[in-house]
Amino acid sequence: DTAVSQTPKYLVTQMGNDKSIKCEQNLGHDTMYWYKQDSKKFLKIMFSYNNKELIINETVPNRFSPKSPDKAHLNLHINSLELGDSAVYFCASSQDPPGATDTQYFGPGTRLTVL
Amino acid sequence: DQQVKQNSPSLSVQEGRISILNCDYTNSMFDYFLWYKKYPAEGPTFLISISSIKDKNEDGRFTVFLNKSAKHLSLHIVPSQPGDSAVYFCAASGGDSWGKLQFGAGTQVVVTP
Repeated sequence: DTAVSQTPKYLVTQMGNDKSIKCEQNLGHDTMYWYKQDSKKFLKIMFSYNNKELIINETVPNRFSPKSPDKAHLNLHINSLELGDSAVYFCASSQDPPGATDTQYFGPGTRLTVL
Repeated sequence: DQQVKQNSPSLSVQEGRISILNCDYTNSMFDYFLWYKKYPAEGPTFLISISSIKDKNEDGRFTVFLNKSAKHLSLHIVPSQPGDSAVYFCAASGGDSWGKLQFGAGTQVVVTP
């Protein structure tokens, strides 16, 4: 019984395509996040939603659009994929809104490769 | 501009000995610090945290030390076990990074028998 799950685990696609990554958490948390781990291995926050509302939106191209249909799900849609989008994308969740001293629980990651 | 730095990309330690992982940060407004552990093909797993009002926090074999004046924290693992072989990430938040965990690049720990 995975706490934070992501699908797919691997995604290989051509430049210019549109793709989505799905995330679900069964922890009953109110806040969810998307992180990107680039080639230098740094994990960087992209977005955060609290109770389905966007509360953190880092400097991310508007080709990336998160959608939260309910508190347990946060999906990431990427339009017009570029080579530089190749990375591992991690979803995470926490009980409290960002800023509280709360632990974030991470999913297993989705490795996106753009050819 | 990396605000959290882990300058040792790798560390090898013998089973039973102490592992010491270091992390430096540049933002004096950071007030909450965490360590995460990551196995290959898995997401980071929370290990231990410390608030800036403390200088030490202990949980079993894991102890985190915070030196605010030096903007430095360290993670001690005693004794090290083979299952501790993983990548360890330091993370911090606070100030203008309120709500946004800033991660270091990670340190690969290998525990040898």
